[in-house]
Amino acid sequence: GAVVSQHPSWVICKSGTSVKIECRSLDFQATTMFWYRQFPKQSLMLMATSNEGSKATYEQGVEKDKFLINHASLTLSTLTVTSAHPEDSSFYICSARRLAGVYEQFFGPGTRLTVL
Amino acid sequence: GQNIDQPTEMTATEGAIVQINCTYQTSGFNGLFWYQQHAGEAPTFLSYNVLDGLEEKGRFSSFLSRSKGYSYLLLKELQMKDSASYLCAVRWGAGSYQLTFGKGTKLSVIP
Repeated sequence: GAVVSQHPSWVICKSGTSVKIECRSLDFQATTMFWYRQFPKQSLMLMATSNEGSKATYEQGVEKDKFLINHASLTLSTLTVTSAHPEDSSFYICSARRLAGVYEQFFGPGTRLTVL
Repeated sequence: GQNIDQPTEMTATEGAIVQINCTYQTSGFNGLFWYQQHAGEAPTFLSYNVLDGLEEKGRFSSFLSRSKGYSYLLLKELQMKDSASYLCAVRWGAGSYQLTFGKGTKLSVIP
């Protein structure tokens, strides 16, 4: 149990376009989902925390107008990178937390974004 | 700040034991996690410590000392597949579920 999927697994896009990444909890309801970014040989950096039905909370330095997060249901959160630029190329990973009583986050397989 | 320190790289021999250390700022501490991450893949959960002491799970054990702001991950009977990055992550603040990750320790297991 506790499987999280991400789609797409990789995407290449042109500079200036927008890319949407989906994160789904397949066999549990996720009250909270987290979005991370990981640059090569770096650790995971939390971008934002989203709770179902409410606005996402962004970490300092993350532009909320550029990285749009929607957590429309207890099993789906989306991250849209708007007007992508080459410096946005990174590995984007989501994680999900189950309802109260479970402490760990379950991570999706990640999405490799390359902006040309 | 919420600094987490762990060694950048370690090398160990197949069949041996290796200990990966992690230190963190103690103020507001509310749990420490260890994750394993293979290159290009998402992290997988290994262990969770919130109280002092040793948690054992098969070949993996994790230790925590809250007063010292110190944890270690112990890997026994190393296998080649254990070559990966090991991430120490800390949760600060009561009621918070956010994790702050260390930079990770890249472990290379050699024959």
